[in-house]
Amino acid sequence: ETGVTQSPTHLIKTRGQQVTLRCSSQSGHNTVSWYQQALGQGPQFIFQYYREEENGRGNFPPRFSGLQFPNYSSELNVNALELDDSALYLCASSLTGPNYGYTFGSGTRLTVV
Amino acid sequence: AQTVTQSQPEMSVQEAETVTLSCTYDTSESDYYLFWYKQPPSRQMILVIRQEAYKQQNATENRFSVNFQKAAKSFSLKISDSQLGDAAMYFCAYRWFGNQFYFGTGTSLTVIP
Repeated sequence: ETGVTQSPTHLIKTRGQQVTLRCSSQSGHNTVSWYQQALGQGPQFIFQYYREEENGRGNFPPRFSGLQFPNYSSELNVNALELDDSALYLCASSLTGPNYGYTFGSGTRLTVV
Repeated sequence: AQTVTQSQPEMSVQEAETVTLSCTYDTSESDYYLFWYKQPPSRQMILVIRQEAYKQQNATENRFSVNFQKAAKSFSLKISDSQLGDAAMYFCAYRWFGNQFYFGTGTSLTVIP
C-alpha cells in the first residue's frame, strides 16, 4: 500500500511568480485535501477535491487553485506569490466520510523571497 | 465556527513516565470526530488516535488514550510509558461532516532520557 507522495520537497520562488505543487494520493483514496502550515502553527485548510470536483474551500484567495485527476492525484497552484505564502504545504488523502482520518504526505516547503 | 485550542505550546516528560496533552474545541454540532496527530521532524502528520463523539467510551491505542468530555468539549491525550520516539509536535483536530479538519496550534513534546 503506497502512502501519499508530494513533490517537490523544497522550493524557493520569487514574489510574484507562480508555483505548482503535486500530490499522489494513497491507493484507493478518492478525496484529496490541501493544507497550509505556517511556521509554528497548525495546518489551515485550503480546499478539498472529490472525484475531480472542488467540494470545500477554506479562507484562501482565488489565486490558490487546484486540480484533481482521474487517478485521484492532485495539484495545488498558487499565482502571484506573496512573502506570506511561505509555508509547509501538506496534501492529505482519505476515503469520503468524516469518520476517516487523513493520510498525509511529508509536505512541500515553499519559501518565497 | 469550529475552533480547536491547545493551551500548552510545550510539554516535557521523563522517559517511561506519563504525560497528558490538553485540547478544547468549540462546536454546535452533536456528531463529529476528534483526532490526535503527531508530527515529527520528518514533517509527516501521523494519526495517533481517533474518537467518535457519539461514543461514550474513550478511545485507546496501546500506550495512547484519550479523556473525552463531550459536555466540557475537552479531548486530552494521555501518553503512558513515554518513549524517546514520542518526541514530536502533537495536533488535536476536529472533523465534522463538512469533511474539513480544524487543527489546533500544536503542543511540542520533549521526552527527557
